[in-house]
Amino acid sequence: QSALTQPASVSGSPGQSITISCTGTSSDVGGYNYVSWYQQHPGKAPKLMIYEVSNRPSGVSNRFSGSKSGNTASLTISGLQAEDEADYYCSSYTSSAYVFGTGTKVTVL
Amino acid sequence: EVQLVESGGGLIQPGGSLRLSCAASGFTVSSNCMSWVRQAPGKGLEWVSLIYSGGSTYYADSVKGRFTISRDNSKNTLYLQMNSLTAEDTAVYYCARVSALWFTPEYWGQGTLVTVSS
Repeated sequence: QSALTQPASVSGSPGQSITISCTGTSSDVGGYNYVSWYQQHPGKAPKLMIYEVSNRPSGVSNRFSGSKSGNTASLTISGLQAEDEADYYCSSYTSSAYVFGTGTKVTVL
Repeated sequence: EVQLVESGGGLIQPGGSLRLSCAASGFTVSSNCMSWVRQAPGKGLEWVSLIYSGGSTYYADSVKGRFTISRDNSKNTLYLQMNSLTAEDTAVYYCARVSALWFTPEYWGQGTLVTVSS
């Protein structure tokens, strides 16, 4: 149950697009389409932003999109806004367990 | 409205035990898959345990044999019994309802802090 690998930090200017990668193995990310992304602001609980690789829950901005290729999933935030500054975690279901990513701090310059 | 409220955290000495509770409202705990996820101070999220609606339970290797997940249907509450605690168990513990359709923790509580220290 090793954590999925994410870049420690990603930054961008308002209006730009950024992409966060999430690399796992064929036993988790590559083996299931149950990849999710969470946003977490300081002191708050995680918020589900993407489920099943590329689907958005009701109420989540369409500026957030997800994709997957092989053992790597990606989250793209387009039209970056100040409120997007937060930590982001990917997650994958893996045989009656879950594994989370190492987390990425997104900074809006 | 789905709500999850954790309680039971606090300061505990190494080797001690603690039971966390997660009171649910707006849905039935026993009809859903529920999970515990923790986050050490300044660190990332770590999945801890889950219980399916049928009662099957699963644990991360780091807590297997020490932690037990359970539920009380009459109280609509999820529990995490934690034994043989070490400093590495210090974290905010979140309970979450797992979406039956999306196979992912969907609704989260606000968390309860467990500090293991002498």
